[in-house]
Amino acid sequence: AQSVSQHNHHVILSEAASLELGCNYSYGGTVNLFWYVQYPGQHLQLLLKYFSGDPLVKGIKGFEAEFIKSKFSFNLRKPSVQWSDTAEYFCAVNGGSSASKIIFGSGTRLSIRP
Amino acid sequence: EPEVTQTPSHQVTQMGQEVILRCVPISNHLYFYWYRQILGQKVEFLVSFYNNEISEKSEIFDDQFSVERPDGSNFTLKIRSTKLEDSAMYFCASTMTSGSGETQYFGPGTRLLVL
Repeated sequence: AQSVSQHNHHVILSEAASLELGCNYSYGGTVNLFWYVQYPGQHLQLLLKYFSGDPLVKGIKGFEAEFIKSKFSFNLRKPSVQWSDTAEYFCAVNGGSSASKIIFGSGTRLSIRP
Repeated sequence: EPEVTQTPSHQVTQMGQEVILRCVPISNHLYFYWYRQILGQKVEFLVSFYNNEISEKSEIFDDQFSVERPDGSNFTLKIRSTKLEDSAMYFCASTMTSGSGETQYFGPGTRLLVL
């Protein structure tokens, strides 16, 4: 069955710390991978996406993610977090067509101590 | 930048009542979706819609749910007889084409509370 697993439910970091949020997926065939962010009280926003090509993807706000096909992983990283990065982060996948349904992970809540 | 909009932002209803959630997708988009997120849980796919018909629906999308594109701009989700467990945030999304590299853009959501 298609699924996405996020390893951490809640991560607490101090400002300037480095961040890595884990994501593994189970999906047969070609995949498209996403990280969405949901700031408090706001809607889902796309941070970055992988469709093909360079497995290291750079997104907005200094985030990046690496697609490792052999590990079925798509971990999100940021070298130095800011207080404004406090949000819920969702890893997601769809397959084949970009129009197919997106399957989301359960989310990781990131809290940054100022 | 064009956005997906949704109304209302919040809706409170009594169990058994009908509700209609409204969405205005981005104007040149052709594929439309509804997702929901029960409090504390993951975002779940409900239904996709293309060319005036349902493309795919999940197990959640039973006979109590229906979708419609009544005109050239709106995309609605109707819940015929709401249940307590329908309380959730409902997100509308749209994308332009099915081509590689396209992104699904999400609206701000409607928070539905069934009492």
